[in-house]
Amino acid sequence: AQSVTQPDIHITVSEGASLELRCNYSYGATPYLFWYVQSPGQGLQLLLKYFSGDTLVQGIKGFEAEFKRSQSSFNLRKPSVHWSDAAEYFCAVAFMDSNYQLIWGAGTKLIIKP
Amino acid sequence: EAQVTQNPRYLITVTGKKLTVTCSQNMNHEYMSWYRQDPGLGLRQIYYSMNVEVTDKGDVPEGYKVSRKEKRNFPLILESPSPNQTSLYFCASSPLTGRSLYEQYFGPGTRLTVT
Repeated sequence: AQSVTQPDIHITVSEGASLELRCNYSYGATPYLFWYVQSPGQGLQLLLKYFSGDTLVQGIKGFEAEFKRSQSSFNLRKPSVHWSDAAEYFCAVAFMDSNYQLIWGAGTKLIIKP
Repeated sequence: EAQVTQNPRYLITVTGKKLTVTCSQNMNHEYMSWYRQDPGLGLRQIYYSMNVEVTDKGDVPEGYKVSRKEKRNFPLILESPSPNQTSLYFCASSPLTGRSLYEQYFGPGTRLTVT
């Protein structure tokens, strides 16, 4: 069965430090990959997506993610976090034969230490 | 402004009292979906619709109904709400073609409490 794993429920990072949030998926077919962010009390906003081509994709708010097919991973990175990055981050994956359904990870809550 | 709107944003109700949460999008998207979000469980899909008059069950459809009579609207109906339906609900829409394929646009959420 198709699944998406975000192994870290919470991550705490100091302001100004670098960040990496992990996302792994299970399935053999070529995926479409997404990262969404949910700020407190808000809906979900798309950060970035990967469909094809360059495996390093740039998104909004200074985020980037790298697709590694051999590791079935799509990790989200930011070189220097700001207090406003405190939010919950969701990885989602769609497959060409999945009838447009996104499969969601359980989310990683990012906590920023001052 | 392109957006997905949901109403109400907050709702407290009692067990068994029918309610409807409305969802509307102004982007002419074919695909619409309802999710519920519970702590530690991420987003779980309730129902989705690929186009007008076409709806399908998601992962957790029990206790919910939907309809898609117009392209822009996708209401979520709880005929007899129960406390286990207390949750945060999101509506989302997506085009089925073009550069934004699969990219879902979310509403602000509806926090429902059933007592």
